[in-house]
Amino acid sequence: DQQVKQNSPSLSVQEGRISILNCDYTNSMFDYFLWYKKYPAEGPTFLISISSIKDKNEDGRFTVFLNKSAKHLSLHIVPSQPGDSAVYFCAAGTYKYIFGTGTRLKVLA
Amino acid sequence: SQTIHQWPATLVQPVGSPLSLECTVEGTSNPNLYWYRQAAGRGLQLLFYSVGIGQISSEVPQNLSASRPQDRQFILSSKKLLLSDSGFYLCAWSVGGVGSDGYTFGSGTRLTVV
Repeated sequence: DQQVKQNSPSLSVQEGRISILNCDYTNSMFDYFLWYKKYPAEGPTFLISISSIKDKNEDGRFTVFLNKSAKHLSLHIVPSQPGDSAVYFCAAGTYKYIFGTGTRLKVLA
Repeated sequence: SQTIHQWPATLVQPVGSPLSLECTVEGTSNPNLYWYRQAAGRGLQLLFYSVGIGQISSEVPQNLSASRPQDRQFILSSKKLLLSDSGFYLCAWSVGGVGSDGYTFGSGTRLTVV
């Protein structure tokens, strides 16, 4: 049973436009939500997080939105840059994190 | 500053051979330690986690085992590898469980069982 789902395996966006990556979860008890970025043959690197008491967190070009009633999480990247091309994982958890299957973002120059 | 080391970076092993992957963390004490696997076309699956020396929690039944002989050392092992053990293995650490800083991952080991 996949508790954290990323239903879009891939996404292509033009440079300068907004990238929106989505994530759905099933467990309403999750406390924290994260987004990670991963390049091939490297470990994931932490991007941004949000706790369950908030609905938005912003860090530079990255904004994470949390809709608890819909059990939905999204990451907005504005403006998108070619260096943002990577696989993005969302994660959610209470005492440990459960990761989604990832979305491969390709930013076209 | 804290760093995490994971080796080797790549490994090709025959079916039925043993496995030992090592992970060490520097610059922190009593970290939580994790082993994840990313299989082709799949997400990051938590295999094991440890909150202290000698304490191991297994998340999924499998052909692998983990040990934590020292505070900042985490080892992933198998006595006999299967083809299905192929994947990208990641070690990670954290202070406590979940929190706003998430986990810090190592650079990973690409294991190919042939």
